[in-house]
Amino acid sequence: SQTIHQWPATLVQPVGSPLSLECTVEGTSNPNLYWYRQAAGRGLQLLFYSVGIGQISSEVPQNLSASRPQDRQFILSSKKLLLSDSGFYLCAWSAIDKIWGTEAFFGQGTRLTVV
Amino acid sequence: GDSVTQMEGPVTLSEEAFLTINCTYTATGYPSLFWYVQYPGEGLQLLLKATKADDKGSNKGFEATYRKETTSFHLEKGSVQVSDSAVYFCALSDRSGGSYIPTFGRGTSLIVHP
Repeated sequence: SQTIHQWPATLVQPVGSPLSLECTVEGTSNPNLYWYRQAAGRGLQLLFYSVGIGQISSEVPQNLSASRPQDRQFILSSKKLLLSDSGFYLCAWSAIDKIWGTEAFFGQGTRLTVV
Repeated sequence: GDSVTQMEGPVTLSEEAFLTINCTYTATGYPSLFWYVQYPGEGLQLLLKATKADDKGSNKGFEATYRKETTSFHLEKGSVQVSDSAVYFCALSDRSGGSYIPTFGRGTSLIVHP
C-alpha cells in the first residue's frame, strides 16, 4: 500500500534561520507531489506542485522554494524564515493517471512556528 | 480556472442532528469530486469521493451525490456525533494541462455538542 511520510511534526525556528521540510512517498511511482500551507483557521493554500523529478511549479511568490531530487521525495526550503512563514505545512501526493484515481493523500503535517 | 465554494462555518450542531454542508464547483472539464476531513493537528483524510454524475459517495454515515446539473456535491449525515467535530473540505480534481491538480474549498468547521 502507499504511504506518505512527512517530518518533522513540529518545528520552532528563529526569524532568519533556514528551513528544510522533507516528504517521501512509498508504494507508488511518478506521483504528483504537493506542498500546501494552512494558516490558523484558514483553508489550504497550494504552494508548489511537481509532476516529475526536477519539475516544480510555484503557485504563489514567496520566501519558500521546493525541490524534487528523487521521484518520491519532495523538499520545502527557505534560506531565511520570516514570521509570516508560520503555519501548518502539508505534503500530499496523487496519482498522475486518472485510471488509478486522482484523490490526494496527505501527510500528517508540520507545525512551523517562527519566533 | 477550477474553483470550489463551500459554506462558511463554523457549523454548530447538537448530537444526533442532521448535517448538511453545501459545496458547489466550477470546472473546465469533467472532474472527480471529494470530501476530506481534518481532525485537529492532523493532515487531511479522504472521507468519500464520486467520479461521475449521479454517483453517490458514502463513508462512516456521510453521503454526497455528484450533481452535474447543479454543479454541487453537498455533504450530508443523518445523525452527527461529537466525534464528527472536525474541518471538512470539498475538493475536485480535473485534467487541467494534463495533470490532475486538486482544488480545495476553504473548509467548513463542524462543532458537535453533546
